[in-house]
Amino acid sequence: DAKTTQPPSMDCAEGRAANLPCNHSTISGNEYVYWYRQIHSQGPQYIIHGLKNNETNEMASLIITEDRKSSTLILPHATLRDTAVYYCIVARISSGSARQLTFGSGTQLTVLP
Amino acid sequence: GAGVSQSPSNKVTEKGKDVELRCDPISGHTALYWYRQSLGQGLEFLIYFQGNSAPDKSGLPSDRFSAERTGGSVSTLTIQRTQQEDSAVYLCASSPSRLAGNPATQYFGPGTRLTVL
Repeated sequence: DAKTTQPPSMDCAEGRAANLPCNHSTISGNEYVYWYRQIHSQGPQYIIHGLKNNETNEMASLIITEDRKSSTLILPHATLRDTAVYYCIVARISSGSARQLTFGSGTQLTVLP
Repeated sequence: GAGVSQSPSNKVTEKGKDVELRCDPISGHTALYWYRQSLGQGLEFLIYFQGNSAPDKSGLPSDRFSAERTGGSVSTLTIQRTQQEDSAVYLCASSPSRLAGNPATQYFGPGTRLTVL
């Protein structure tokens, strides 16, 4: 699976949009971009995933560049509870399942009051 | 509904002892995964079960590690002759089938924190 590069940390003011970047320049055509987050001492939580089109759900929006070499996760109105480590992961889907997910170091997002 | 549950939440053991970690996936989920996370590190894939297919054991670090999934539901991860480097949080995740939801998503449990003294 393709490797991803994320900034180690970011701050965001409460109520503002948090934009988390991710580079995945070696992504293959059949690999999806996933975002998970992990709040301290909890298991990772799925946020969103996409292939090449932008995606939006109740938690966030995912913007994937046209060449698919980078993406941005957007939390439109960050709250203190959004403070977590955010992981950008690239993985193939086989028979509908993203078999194993390879988690890197992620971005520690701190939402400030 | 109920999420993925794991037990125990914490386990302290002595070097050389065997331990068993349990995972109860979300009811009806066909895929089950084990990962481990060492302090300050990312997740490391261990093993993957999908329905009745043979499990993908490619992530198991040594033959001291094994896992079973009985009846397509509950899974047990066993570590024999534990070593101090086995200390980590062991996380279980499950995914639904195509018919039940989005099989591309993994739902994680809270983990079992294993400490080997």
